[in-house]
Amino acid sequence: QQQVKQSPQSLIVQKGGISIINCAYENTAFDYFPWYQQFPGKGPALLIAIRPDVSEKKEGRFTISFNKSAKQFSLHIMDSQPGDSATYFCAATLPGTALIFGKGTTLSVSS
Amino acid sequence: GAGVSQSPSNKVTEKGKDVELRCDPISGHTALYWYRQSLGQGLEFLIYFQGNSAPDKSGLPSDRFSAERTGGSVSTLTIQRTQQEDSAVYLCASSFEFNQPQHFGDGTRLSIL
Repeated sequence: QQQVKQSPQSLIVQKGGISIINCAYENTAFDYFPWYQQFPGKGPALLIAIRPDVSEKKEGRFTISFNKSAKQFSLHIMDSQPGDSATYFCAATLPGTALIFGKGTTLSVSS
Repeated sequence: GAGVSQSPSNKVTEKGKDVELRCDPISGHTALYWYRQSLGQGLEFLIYFQGNSAPDKSGLPSDRFSAERTGGSVSTLTIQRTQQEDSAVYLCASSFEFNQPQHFGDGTRLSIL
């Protein structure tokens, strides 16, 4: 119940395409869902986050879609660029607990 | 400092030795977190601090692992009698308050020979 399941494990997208990464959870008490971006040799950096009272949040080319009834949320990267090539982690948290991370998705954007 | 600082950036040591990993959080951040990232795995939560106290130590893998934080600032993660399975990247994060957005350091890559 504490897990966050992330898919796919890896993703190859053409430059200009849409990258979609999905996460699913079981615990309906989760109340905060961030996405992190990690480049090799660097720590994860917060990209965008959403709370369950909102179905969608957009920041530039990055959008989180949240489906509370399905207990799923996804990251969409529009107009994907080679500079977006990185590992992406979804996460979730309960009040008073630390983040629970998915296992990550390695995105490669080909030019 | 401008960001979370971790040292050393790389550490190679022999099995059975003790290691200390240091984390210097963003100034003014009261919450501090330690995670472990193994190859092909996500980030595994180890421990967090609110000020100098650690309300949740449930993620520490064994009693060989311990952590402390002094002065509400710098934290040290200590691994005693290291084993090969301890090889991983150890990441530290801090946030202004608990459950606020976490900012990560670049980690310490620990290799146990």
